[in-house]
Amino acid sequence: NAGVTQTPKFRVLKTGQSMTLLCAQDMNHEYMYWYRQDPGMGLRLIHYSVGEGTTAKGEVPDGYNVSRLKKQNFLLGLESAAPSQTSVYFCASSYRLGTPLGQPQHFGDGTRLSIL
Amino acid sequence: QQQVKQSPQSLIVQKGGISIINCAYENTAFDYFPWYQQFPGKGPALLIAIRPDVSEKKEGRFTISFNKSAKQFSLHIMDSQPGDSATYFCAARRETSGSRLTFGEGTQLTVNP
Repeated sequence: NAGVTQTPKFRVLKTGQSMTLLCAQDMNHEYMYWYRQDPGMGLRLIHYSVGEGTTAKGEVPDGYNVSRLKKQNFLLGLESAAPSQTSVYFCASSYRLGTPLGQPQHFGDGTRLSIL
Repeated sequence: QQQVKQSPQSLIVQKGGISIINCAYENTAFDYFPWYQQFPGKGPALLIAIRPDVSEKKEGRFTISFNKSAKQFSLHIMDSQPGDSATYFCAARRETSGSRLTFGEGTQLTVNP
């Protein structure tokens, strides 16, 4: 079981370029999430999805778009990269609720993105 | 607006000592409070979690203490080991909003041998 796989692991972009980060999970999870992690700010939710074909905005959605065409994949797009988007991006997934303590989110190992 | 505040930012403990990390939240609609552990170059992994209807949960050397009236919760690591050196995040979830997690700022724990 691979769990949550993020590609690429590292990327350097120039301001104004576009790119797509891919997240794939093999646990048949309904929910998927994209976070960014910056020093001293914890993880902040960018967008999330509660099922195939549905997406919703999180805390910091500006400058990002997402798509969930297949249940196992969740794509994060940067249409016109800006230096402020330099960060480590984490994807996570979880089952829908149903247990007394909820369902943990399982995280990938991140994509380190630098925008010059 | 940081809905979950975490302290301290960094913590150094001697091997065998007790590590204590504190979190405070604002939104009383939160219904689930997990702690995540993150090693360098890896994603966060769930360590332990608690619901607000209990005041304490213990799993091995890790204990969550929860004070609903004060809207505070803390992680205690007993007999801290060098292998516990990592970044710890508290979080809070609202069940009704896509199971979204709101994270604290993180605490970098170093356990000296």
